[in-house]
Amino acid sequence: QVTLKESGPALVKPTQTLTLTCTFSGFSATNSQMRMNWIRQPPGEALEWLARIDWDDDKFYSTSLKTRLTISKDTSKNQVVLTMTNMEPVDTATYYCARSGGYGRFDNWGQGILVTVSS
Amino acid sequence: QSALTQPRSVSGSPGQSITISCTGTSNDVGGYDYVSWYQQYPGKAPKLMICDVSKRPSGVPGRFSGSKSGNTASLTISGLQAEDEADYYCCSYAGSYSSGLFGTGTKVTVL
Repeated sequence: QVTLKESGPALVKPTQTLTLTCTFSGFSATNSQMRMNWIRQPPGEALEWLARIDWDDDKFYSTSLKTRLTISKDTSKNQVVLTMTNMEPVDTATYYCARSGGYGRFDNWGQGILVTVSS
Repeated sequence: QSALTQPRSVSGSPGQSITISCTGTSNDVGGYDYVSWYQQYPGKAPKLMICDVSKRPSGVPGRFSGSKSGNTASLTISGLQAEDEADYYCCSYAGSYSSGLFGTGTKVTVL
């Protein structure tokens, strides 16, 4: 059974850096099918894909946010980490980690974590 | 990249069939057979309902089906049930630099 869970701060101040961790179980981080993503959803708005890291450490970022994002993984801890710099109020959203089981699909999702950006 | 276009809302009575459209371009929906659909209840994480245009993951009811024609993908819910009232999002592969491009979302209301 695949499980994913996000953790991190619920509140960050403008200009700060956000660090989110996704801890997963039910599959191996070294499995060649592992593709882990971060996706966000502002309140009342649509989903937006942010970043992905593959089992071989290949990394991909949203074109519009790539200068602010870094994704990494800790294989020994079964964790994937996302950092987003220079946070702004418009970055207020629920952030999800999700596992891709193939192209253009997200098979398993964490429960999400609401991050509010406010001074 | 712009989000895929979905109708803001669709409604139907129990037992009826409804179809949600998802319009993109030849660079995403029209270029790949990798369209997926997600159901999302308020305050909950999305759930994969359809992948690879028309494949149903295990456990998804058979009344959900997907299709694609040109740059437009569609999700059909046949025999609409009260529990189908939720938000639905489409997603398409859009090339190797991205995992997926999401749609604008559709709220389904069961009358």
